[in-house]
Amino acid sequence: QITLKESGPTLVKPTQTLTLTCTFSGFSLSNSGVGVGWIRQPPGKALEWLALIYWNDDKHSSPSLKSRLTITKDTSKNQVVLTMTNMDPVDTATYYCARLFYYDSSGYYVDYWGQGTLVTVSS
Amino acid sequence: DIQLTQSPSFLSASVGDRVTITCRASQDINSYLAWYQQKPGKAPKLLIYAASALQSGVPSRFSGSGSGTDFTLTISSLQPEDFATYYCQQVNNYPFTFGPGTKLIIK
Repeated sequence: QITLKESGPTLVKPTQTLTLTCTFSGFSLSNSGVGVGWIRQPPGKALEWLALIYWNDDKHSSPSLKSRLTITKDTSKNQVVLTMTNMDPVDTATYYCARLFYYDSSGYYVDYWGQGTLVTVSS
Repeated sequence: DIQLTQSPSFLSASVGDRVTITCRASQDINSYLAWYQQKPGKAPKLLIYAASALQSGVPSRFSGSGSGTDFTLTISSLQPEDFATYYCQQVNNYPFTFGPGTKLIIK
């Protein structure tokens, strides 16, 4: 059974750094064809892709947020950590981590999601 | 970034109806497109990948088609549990952008 769960603060102050941890089970990020990504969704709004890291440590972040995002993995702990610097109230959103899986000749797709964690940015 | 547009933004329909949602990409993405269903307070669920492949466990009333820049998601006969918001996502280029969503509401 594949599960992912996000953990981290629910409230951060403007200018602070947000650190979110995705702890997963049922798969290994050391196996080829797997990745873990982060996606967020402001209240009542659409999904926004943030960053992802693959089994081989290849990383990709949203260009609009790239200077603020860092994504790392700890394969031994089955964890992926996302840090986002200089938080602003507009960053208030539900943050999801998700597994990406390579479907033969068809690319990587998100097939499992965490439950999401609401992060509010407010002083 | 590749921009995705969806139409309509809102769709009112009845149980049993056949509905189609469109997703258009700002440039050619081959068939690297997914469709997700999201219900309030829940994480999205993968329905379709590679534009037309049905994810395991998803009912066959869902189907996808298209390639290049124009894609469609069709629900052949709406069920009560299908009223939700639907998103397309491209995975051809980084960042893997999502469309703005289509909210399917009960008429």
